[in-house]
Amino acid sequence: AQTVTQSQPEMSVQEAETVTLSCTYDTSESDYYLFWYKQPPSRQMILVIRQEAYKQQNATENRFSVNFQKAAKSFSLKISDSQLGDAAMYFCAYLLGIGAGSYQLTFGKGTKLSVIP
Amino acid sequence: KAGVTQTPRYLIKTRGQQVTLSCSPISGHRSVSWYQQTPGQGLQFLFEYFSETQRNKGNFPGRFSGRQFSNSRSEMNVSTLELGDSALYLCASSFTGGHEQFFGPGTRLTVL
Repeated sequence: AQTVTQSQPEMSVQEAETVTLSCTYDTSESDYYLFWYKQPPSRQMILVIRQEAYKQQNATENRFSVNFQKAAKSFSLKISDSQLGDAAMYFCAYLLGIGAGSYQLTFGKGTKLSVIP
Repeated sequence: KAGVTQTPRYLIKTRGQQVTLSCSPISGHRSVSWYQQTPGQGLQFLFEYFSETQRNKGNFPGRFSGRQFSNSRSEMNVSTLELGDSALYLCASSFTGGHEQFFGPGTRLTVL
């Protein structure tokens, strides 16, 4: 079974600084997708960034970027110039095709990010 | 485009009752997945529907069921509610399932 591990239950960062959230996953597949989702106190899950496993180039979305190390099965999220609105739970997720055209997201336990003014 | 909508947003039920939650996906999306989120277990996959067919089901008892209509709207039903069913139920839509999934705001179910 695929597993996703986020080893940092909580982290904090000063406003305008940079923070990196860690994620590792376990899979025997070669083709899959990885995502970072943000869940603020409103509980709405918001897609932050995606990475296709077959792409070597790390994905970037404005202040958010990933460091994807396929061999190490590592997928960390870097947030630059942190803003107060970045405070939220961040979930790493792995999407795998499981046959018959179906896909399933497996989530890590999440990292609670606090931003200090 | 309008996002994923879920109704109701909040529900309070008592043990033994049943409940139906509704999810309307983003226009054009045909895949709808359901997840249960609890503090203890985190986010767990319930099931996925595509073109009115259940393609995949997570490890949940048969009390949890769902369906999808021809307009891609989906409902999930929980019968004989237990205290442990208290959770945030999230619905996510995707074009085919094999792309990023976009989530609705969730339905907070409390079982007393």
